[in-house]
Amino acid sequence: GQSLEQPSEVTAVEGAIVQINCTYQTSGFYGLSWYQQHDGGAPTFLSYNGLDGLEETGRFSSFLSRSDSYGYLLLQELQMKDSASYFCAVRDSGAGKSTFGDGTTLTVKP
Amino acid sequence: DTGVSQNPRHKITKRGQNVTFRCDPISEHNRLYWYRQTLGQGPEFLTYFQNEAQLEKSRLLSDRFSAERPKGSFSTLEIQRTEQGDSAMYLCASSLTDSGTDTQYFGPGTRLTVL
Repeated sequence: GQSLEQPSEVTAVEGAIVQINCTYQTSGFYGLSWYQQHDGGAPTFLSYNGLDGLEETGRFSSFLSRSDSYGYLLLQELQMKDSASYFCAVRDSGAGKSTFGDGTTLTVKP
Repeated sequence: DTGVSQNPRHKITKRGQNVTFRCDPISEHNRLYWYRQTLGQGPEFLTYFQNEAQLEKSRLLSDRFSAERPKGSFSTLEIQRTEQGDSAMYLCASSLTDSGTDTQYFGPGTRLTVL
C-alpha cells in the first residue's frame, strides 16, 4: 500500500524558518510534490522533486532523499499568510496519479 | 479566468438521491483527476483521465461512483444513491502530460453534504 507520514501541526513565529518532514512508503516512486492549502481553498502547487537534492523557489525549498524515502519542505522568512496546511504527495508512476499525506497545519504567530 | 472550474460549489442532498458534479479543466491540459477530501485529511485519489480515456480508478470507488470525460475536455462525476459517508469536498485537478514537475492545478471543489 501507499503511506505518507508528516507531522500534524507545526507552530512558528514570523520571520522564522520551519521545516516540514515527509516520509513515504509507496509501491512506486516517480517524484515528491508539495502543495499548500488555505482554509476553504484549493490545494496549490509549491514544489516538486524528481531527483535527490534541493529545489529552491523563492522563500520555499524542497529536499528529497530517495534512498531514505524522505523529503522536506523548508519555508524561510515566515509570513502570517503562510499559515495553511501543507501536503506532501508522491507521484507513484509516470501516469501522474498522486497519493497525498494527511497534511501539516502550520500556524505562524506574530 | 483560465483556471480549473467546478460546478456547483455546494450541493446539499438527501440520502438516496443522485448527484452530478462538473469539472472544466485548463483548456490545454490532457489529464484530469478527481479527488475526495474530508476534514483533516489530504486529497484522496478517485480516478483520472488522459484525454477521454479513464485510465485508473481507486479501489475505494464503489460502483455508485462513475466519471466521464466524453470529449476529452470537461468531466462529470456522478454519485448514485448517496450515503451520509459521501459527504466531503470533491476536488478536480488537471495537468499536462510530461510537464516535468507533474503540477496539478486544482479547482475550488464541490462541497457535498448528504442529509
